[in-house]
Amino acid sequence: EDQVTQSPEALRLQEGESSSLNCSYTVSGLRGLFWYRQDPGKGPEFLFTLYSAGEEKEKERLKATLTKKESFLHITAPKPEDSATYLCAVGESGGYQKVTFGTGTKLQVIP
Amino acid sequence: GAVVSQHPSWVICKSGTSVKIECRSLDFQATTMFWYRQFPKQSLMLMATSNEGSKATYEQGVEKDKFLINHASLTLSTLTVTSAHPEDSSFYICSAISRLAGDYEQYFGPGTRLTVT
Repeated sequence: EDQVTQSPEALRLQEGESSSLNCSYTVSGLRGLFWYRQDPGKGPEFLFTLYSAGEEKEKERLKATLTKKESFLHITAPKPEDSATYLCAVGESGGYQKVTFGTGTKLQVIP
Repeated sequence: GAVVSQHPSWVICKSGTSVKIECRSLDFQATTMFWYRQFPKQSLMLMATSNEGSKATYEQGVEKDKFLINHASLTLSTLTVTSAHPEDSSFYICSAISRLAGDYEQYFGPGTRLTVT
């Protein structure tokens, strides 16, 4: 059974203070690892898909990296508007498209 | 691109009544749609996978007779909560996968807050 563990559960940063969120996963064959951002009372917003170890993707202040066991979401010089819950999900290879979500990291960026 | 809408955004109903939630892909055709529920401060729990023109596949522990899913077209899936009870109160979110080759990302709707009184 696929497992996804995110850490820390919550993170409080000062504006401009860079940090990383972790997503550890166990899957028999990785189809893709997905990062989403979720604001309170809203549906998740797609950020990145990573397919293989060593892959990196960037979007504004966010950079996602992938190894065979974990993924990191690096946040560089965060702003208050980056405050949200960041969710990680993995999809297993084999043609079935469902994914397994982690419990998320709630990020708060203080001005 | 890849916009998914849900209707209604929130609904309050009395115990014993049924509620229908619609999920639409607005600018793409969705071969597969998913229905999730999310409790406060918890992650998304997959309820069922819906493929256009076929019966939904439910996750273990989800009552298929209580949560009726219909995926009648490539742009619309509906979730009907039948004989709702207060414990069904939750945030229901749908997602859709584009039909484009190699596109595995799920695009989520804004969610529907259901309160059963």
